[in-house]
Amino acid sequence: QVQVVQSGAEVRKPGASVKVSCKVSGYTLTYLSIHWVRQVPGKGLEWMGGFDREDGEKVFAQNFLARLTMTEDTLTDTAYMELSSLRSGDSAMYYCATGLYSSGWAFAFWGQGTLVTVSS
Amino acid sequence: QSMLTQPPSASGAPGQRVSISCSGSSSNIASNTVNWYQQLPGTAPKLLIYSDTQRPSGVSDRFSGSKSGTSASLAISGLQSADESDYYCATWDDNLGWVFGGGTRLTVL
Repeated sequence: QVQVVQSGAEVRKPGASVKVSCKVSGYTLTYLSIHWVRQVPGKGLEWMGGFDREDGEKVFAQNFLARLTMTEDTLTDTAYMELSSLRSGDSAMYYCATGLYSSGWAFAFWGQGTLVTVSS
Repeated sequence: QSMLTQPPSASGAPGQRVSISCSGSSSNIASNTVNWYQQLPGTAPKLLIYSDTQRPSGVSDRFSGSKSGTSASLAISGLQSADESDYYCATWDDNLGWVFGGGTRLTVL
């Protein structure tokens, strides 16, 4: 079983950046494909990007290509998502999600979410 | 606007069977498998169905998935009040990456 724990809530001003961490346990990061999904309050789920473990490449949603940075620290089994040039519309719950090859890489394990508030 | 189209709402009485549709296109549902997620208020989504029809360990067999062409469906039988939730379909789109449906809010009457 994979456990996923994210960092705590953040408040940023417009134009700033935010970095969210996602620590996994139960599996090493190198066996997992970590993806990032956000949810604006009252709205649906929106995929931002992730690491395709099969291809060994990062994949991005077009909307986030210019502002999203995803990194991994395999020594601590922690993934990071940094979103830059924040605007008020980026205020949302940010989830990291992951899965295994055995379940078709579906997002079987989710973090608890990190609330990011962008406000001047 | 989501690439996958779901009805915004669905409802059913306890014990009934309800179905939620998810309509896509040749670049997503028709060529890749579909996953379904349940999201209870204030919680992270939970995987219900993967690879069109498969249930993860621990998911009730009251939940089932199907797919035909560019559409997929989630069926819930023996409806219970605990099933009242938001449901999302998702799949890989060959041009866009992972895409989610807009979500369906299920109400148990």
